[in-house]
Amino acid sequence: GDSVTQMEGPVTLSEEAFLTINCTYTATGYPSLFWYVQYPGEGLQLLLKATKADDKGSNKGFEATYRKETTSFHLEKGSVQVSDSAVYFCALRGVIIQGAQKLVFGQGTRLTINP
Amino acid sequence: EAQVTQNPRYLITVTGKKLTVTCSQNMNHEYMSWYRQDPGLGLRQIYYSMNVEVTDKGDVPEGYKVSRKEKRNFPLILESPSPNQTSLYFCASSLRGPYSTDTQYFGPGTRLTVL
Repeated sequence: GDSVTQMEGPVTLSEEAFLTINCTYTATGYPSLFWYVQYPGEGLQLLLKATKADDKGSNKGFEATYRKETTSFHLEKGSVQVSDSAVYFCALRGVIIQGAQKLVFGQGTRLTINP
Repeated sequence: EAQVTQNPRYLITVTGKKLTVTCSQNMNHEYMSWYRQDPGLGLRQIYYSMNVEVTDKGDVPEGYKVSRKEKRNFPLILESPSPNQTSLYFCASSLRGPYSTDTQYFGPGTRLTVL
């Protein structure tokens, strides 16, 4: 079945460092890909998405490019801030099965940014 | 304000004592679902609902029930909770069901501990 694999956390960086969180997926067909962010004590919020190959999603300085050839959707940010500290989830929405709009999530990567 | 609300936010209970976690959305969304979040496993779907009176099992439905009598509400019922249901639970909704790219909106989460 469909699956998402994220890099192991936790990840700790200094402010203004470059961030990459790796995400690869396995899916049939052409899934849509997402990054969600979960700030401490809150629910998940959609950070960015891409719905077809070579699309680039971007938001709040974060970017991710849908790479079908490498089945990847890595999250990047050029200069992180303390306020970016959160848990990041990569997710895909794959082939519709019996009408189900189903999101498959990776295990999450906890990011801590130190001042 | 458009939102998904859950109650309670925190609950400690004992094995076998029936409980209900409520979920409500004010966006007139058709699609609603429940996830549980466990360390190292990401989010896994418990049940989902395509519309009023239409519900179906997700990946981990055992030990849970749901109902969808009204469009805005989607309660999660644990008839006889067990310690392995200790988890963080999220409700989510989106405007339409499949064949759309609608964003899923998540509630703030309910942290459940079953002793």
